[in-house]
Amino acid sequence: NAGVTQTPKFQVLKTGQSMTLQCAQDMNHEYMSWYRQDPGMGLRLIHYSVGAGITDQGEVPNGYNVSRSTTEDFPLRLLSAAPSQTSVYFCASSYAGTGGTDTQYFGPGTRLTVL
Amino acid sequence: QKEVEQDPGPLSVPEGAIVSLNCTYSNSAFQYFMWYRQYSRKGPELLMYTYSSGNKEDGRFTAQVDKSSKYISLFIRDSQPSDSATYLCAMSVTNRDDKIIFGKGTRLHILP
Repeated sequence: NAGVTQTPKFQVLKTGQSMTLQCAQDMNHEYMSWYRQDPGMGLRLIHYSVGAGITDQGEVPNGYNVSRSTTEDFPLRLLSAAPSQTSVYFCASSYAGTGGTDTQYFGPGTRLTVL
Repeated sequence: QKEVEQDPGPLSVPEGAIVSLNCTYSNSAFQYFMWYRQYSRKGPELLMYTYSSGNKEDGRFTAQVDKSSKYISLFIRDSQPSDSATYLCAMSVTNRDDKIIFGKGTRLHILP
């Protein structure tokens, strides 16, 4: 199993550009999440999905869109990049059977810089 | 008052020492408590998971929850240089992982 994979590893954008961060998992997990990690702020939930076709907002959803058309993939779209979105982005997946808190796996992260 | 407080460190200890990492919290409804380990430039990795109060041991790692004091701890025995990482505490009212609140993490250095 590859686990949770994320692409790209690094990205530099100019203000106003859009892009999609890719996330895929091969563990057949129902739950998938996107977090951002900033110095001094910890991990904050952006968007969340409990299964294909179902998504919900987390703590910091503004400026981001998600969709979940398959169990495996959960892309995160930045609509119009802003310097405040400079961060490290982590995708995570978990098994729904026990709620998810005891089985959460994180991807390696995407380091995004917005100039 | 922040929901979850964690000293950012860095904490430096000699190899072989017992390490104690701690978090305090304000929400008495938290029931699920986790510790994650995050190596530099990597994603967090779930290390320990505890439900409600008590202790849980896994090899050199012991997680302790004291709900009366709203205080959780992670102990690392016989610490190794490979334990050098950032340790994040996390907790949740429900067992749904979209409700997890993370601490900011403590950076730990084990000195050879």
